[in-house]
Formats: sequence, C-alpha cells, structure tokens
Amino acid sequence: QKEVEQNSGPLSVPEGAIASLNCTYSDRGSQSFFWYRQYSGKSPELIMSIYSNGDKEDGRFTAQLNKASQYVSLLIRDSQPSDSATYLCAVNGINDMRFGAGTRLTVKP
Amino acid sequence: EAGVVQSPRYKIIEKKQPVAFWCNPISGHNTLYWYLQNLGQGPELLIRYENEEAVDDSQLPKDRFSAERLKGVDSTLKIQPAELGDSAVYLCASSPGVEAFFGQGTRLTVV
Repeated sequence: QKEVEQNSGPLSVPEGAIASLNCTYSDRGSQSFFWYRQYSGKSPELIMSIYSNGDKEDGRFTAQLNKASQYVSLLIRDSQPSDSATYLCAVNGINDMRFGAGTRLTVKP
Repeated sequence: EAGVVQSPRYKIIEKKQPVAFWCNPISGHNTLYWYLQNLGQGPELLIRYENEEAVDDSQLPKDRFSAERLKGVDSTLKIQPAELGDSAVYLCASSPGVEAFFGQGTRLTVV
C-alpha cells in the first residue's frame, strides 16, 4: 500500500465548474497535509496547508481533512484554464513529507 | 525574499560519470530536503537535513549517492557513478518548520 494515494485521473472539467481532487494516506500519525500545484516542466508550488479536521478556504480553493478516514481533498471552485496542472497531495508524518503521484487536471474553456 | 536556488538547471552526462547538484535554501530554513521526481510521478524523498544533520537518509542509494550540508546552509547531492536510470528531476526544498518550498530543480539526463 502506497503511503499517499491520489485518484489517478486525468480529470477534465469545463471552465467554471468545480474540480474535486482526493487523497488518502496510510500513516495515522500524520499531522500536516498539503496540496501542491505543478505546471508542466515546473517545480511544485504550495497552494494549501491544512492541519486540523474540517474545511479550510483560500479564495477559490477549499481543502478538507478527515483524519478518522485518513482523507484529504481539494476543491477548486470556478475552475479556470490556468488551473490546468498536476496537483500533488503531500503528507507530513513520522516518515517525513511524502507525496502522492499527483492528479492531472485539465480545465477546458 | 529569495526562493530556493538550485544549480545547474539542466545536466547531460554519460553513464558512469559523476555529477553534483547544488542547493541554496531560503534564508533561515533549517530543514532541507532532496527529492527525486520521475516523469508522471510525485517527488520521492532521498534525504532530509535538520541543520547540518541528516535525520532521514533511508531512501538514499548509498552505494552511488552522497549528500552533504556544510554549516547547515547550502547542500550538495552527488551521484557517482551515474546510471541510465538516474535520469530524473532532482528537487531541493527547504522549510522553516512545516511547510516546504521547492527550488526549480535540476533535470538530469544520463546517456
């Protein structure tokens, strides 16, 4: 079992729609959870951090955390073509910061 | 504030040759990570430093890879000798505590 798993994608949504990205993790001791955005040929860019159960909103982005279910999600509202990228889930636990394989999102105009 | 700086950005070498990557973290960030990223995959941790101490190098292939972080600031990752399978992007990240910030990476091609 991989430590951090993401829905494989690719995910395609029309412009203006909500994109939903999901992630599960295996280490119950994990305390910090992150979403990174990675454009093709670029390095990962931190877009959201969440540390406690519930929702955290930042502009069009909402991160959701459920530690009991070991589940993290990212919602992107009013998706724009510029949101087209690979989204990486990262979890910081006893085994340092581990990443999922990423979900490729395409927003079609 | 300057970000994480890595060099070189690109490197092409022949197999069996040595190669080194350099990373300058964000000022004041005590934690430094080296990751390897293959195409279509997420970053894989190679080594983590807290100041000058390597606190997690369990994923570093020690037969050919080595790393150092002198004086707890800059870090160097070395591969000797390089193999074809080492072709990847090598990412350095630094953290003041929890959140990590990446440099632009070094794309290594071994031919």
